[in-house]
Amino acid sequence: EVQLVESGGGLVQPGGSLRLSCAASGFTFSSHWMTWVRQAPGKRLEWVANIRQDGNAKFYVDSVQGRFTISRDNARNSLDLQMNSLRVEDTAVYYCVRELEGSEGYYGDYWGQGILVTVSS
Amino acid sequence: EIVLTQSPATLSLSPGERATLSCRASQSVSRSLAWYQQKPGQAPRLLIYDASNRASGIPVRFSGSGSGTDFTLTISSLEPEDFAVYYCHQRSAWPLPFGGGTKVEIK
Repeated sequence: EVQLVESGGGLVQPGGSLRLSCAASGFTFSSHWMTWVRQAPGKRLEWVANIRQDGNAKFYVDSVQGRFTISRDNARNSLDLQMNSLRVEDTAVYYCVRELEGSEGYYGDYWGQGILVTVSS
Repeated sequence: EIVLTQSPATLSLSPGERATLSCRASQSVSRSLAWYQQKPGQAPRLLIYDASNRASGIPVRFSGSGSGTDFTLTISSLEPEDFAVYYCHQRSAWPLPFGGGTKVEIK
């Protein structure tokens, strides 16, 4: 059974840092693109960052570019998101997502339960 | 930047009725589009990918169609567990936006 379990969320002050982790199991982690998606309270979903299987290609939404870093450890089946210079608008539930390769693109076929990050003074 | 517009914002229907949800892209995304279902307090669930392919384990009452800029998600006969919010999502061009969602509620 595919499982994605996020950890590391919580309350942080503006300007602070937080590191999210995702423990993956039940599939060959090194064979899949992986992604972080977030959802602010009452808002639509937002694709934050994704990383290729070998970790050598990474993409970020403009609003987090230069502040967030996505990384993975294929030996430990883990995905991380280092979040620096956090802003109030980064407050959201963050989801760890496995990507499925379709013929037209990649799609999130398994999602973690999500973890809340609250940025507030 | 591609913008996805979903309509209607809310759909009020009864169990057993047919639901038709629309997603329009501001420019062509070919067939690189997915549909997700989200229930309160839960993670999204992939229903449809590549515009018309059902994801693993998704019932046949869910179907997707369209290409280019206009896409449709159809639920042929609503079951009680289908009342939720549905999002479309394009994977053609970064920054990979989601639509604003359609809430399917019980009439």
